[in-house]
Amino acid sequence: QQQVKQSPQSLIVQKGGISIINCAYENTAFDYFPWYQQFPGKGPALLIAIRPDVSEKKEGRFTISFNKSAKQFSLHIMDSQPGDSATYFCAARESTDNNDMRFGAGTRLTVKP
Amino acid sequence: NAGVTQTPKFQVLKTGQSMTLQCAQDMNHEYMSWYRQDPGMGLRLIHYSVGAGITDQGEVPNGYNVSRSTTEDFPLRLLSAAPSQTSVYFCASSDPGQGINEQFFGPGTRLTVL
Repeated sequence: QQQVKQSPQSLIVQKGGISIINCAYENTAFDYFPWYQQFPGKGPALLIAIRPDVSEKKEGRFTISFNKSAKQFSLHIMDSQPGDSATYFCAARESTDNNDMRFGAGTRLTVKP
Repeated sequence: NAGVTQTPKFQVLKTGQSMTLQCAQDMNHEYMSWYRQDPGMGLRLIHYSVGAGITDQGEVPNGYNVSRSTTEDFPLRLLSAAPSQTSVYFCASSDPGQGINEQFFGPGTRLTVL
């Protein structure tokens, strides 16, 4: 069973709008939560990451919101652009197990001009 | 730096054939991993290595072998390919000494087993 559940599967947003992707996890030992961005034909690339000691992290137009009690975290893309069209994966990992990263199923984002 | 490179980009196999997917990195990273990506499943860890000579199983290791004789190379071997191994395979590397331990992914190998 997937330890990290991601929704929605696909998302269509108008240029300038806000894209929101949600993830939920089960393992309370997870303490590192990255988001990856993947363009067609390419490997995933780290976009932004958060640790559970903060509730929000912002980098440019990308923000992670983290709710430890609900075991949920989300990615917000402000002022979405057509160049943001990609597949986004959330992930989670225990720091003591550096290689066991658990990924969500992915969200295909399309930003219409 | 080339980063993480993978060969081949595409491969078609018949059931029962064997092959090796190549992965190399030039960043002197200690950690290397192999993932498979399937629709609706995200990425799942197959095998990983925390240094030369050390390998371990991930979430879905059956049907795959790995070895790590050098820091740079981490090949993935399919001994007897099955249609269930049709997938896109990604190799990744990371440096745990850098704190956040960002994983750098290669461009992937798309494998079809007939």
